[in-house]
Amino acid sequence: DAGITQSPRHKVTETGTPVTLRCHQTENHRYMYWYRQDPGHGLRLIHYSYGVKDTDKGEVSDGYSVSRSKTEDFLLTLESATSSQTSVYFCAISESQAGPLHFGNGTRLTVT
Amino acid sequence: AQSVTQPDIHITVSEGASLELRCNYSYGATPYLFWYVQSPGQGLQLLLKYFSGDTLVQGIKGFEAEFKRSQSSFNLRKPSVHWSDAAEYFCAVGSLPGRTGTASKLTFGTGTRLQVTL
Repeated sequence: DAGITQSPRHKVTETGTPVTLRCHQTENHRYMYWYRQDPGHGLRLIHYSYGVKDTDKGEVSDGYSVSRSKTEDFLLTLESATSSQTSVYFCAISESQAGPLHFGNGTRLTVT
Repeated sequence: AQSVTQPDIHITVSEGASLELRCNYSYGATPYLFWYVQSPGQGLQLLLKYFSGDTLVQGIKGFEAEFKRSQSSFNLRKPSVHWSDAAEYFCAVGSLPGRTGTASKLTFGTGTRLQVTL
């Protein structure tokens, strides 16, 4: 398996609180992604990074921000969590522009 | 915009039977196509990928997929299903980005859940 660690694996938080999810890779891959998975929607791209300090928005980026200060770490922040952000969040990495993506084991986030 | 349709939400097959999972995509140019498998509580594992060349692609665990441009399809097949194949399967489409240096963005289908009966 690709060396991807997501932390925490599970989190319960209250509406309105900030939350940061971390993705750490040991593969030295340039490209990193955050997806969310919801029943009936498959996986939807939140944000992605194509290098240190280089990030861009995906299709469901509202309410989320990201940062990448080192090659190995990609952080996803929910500035003020809402119940609609209850989901399973997956980090993915890729060695090349075209993929394929390799996924972490996910973080299950519940916003009460 | 690219899109992926997996028309079957849930499929049940008997162990030892053949399997075909359908995937249709929408994309203007030549796509990159992928199949992933997800077991409960796990991340997605790459089964196979198509970038170019031979339209019949072999993957891991005995899976194969065929790219048919005329039908905009990339169906996943396995000749004989094992109970351990029970999982959720996702088809995804991607492409090279227009600008160098940026990343390809994969679009995923909504998945097909496979149940295997003994």
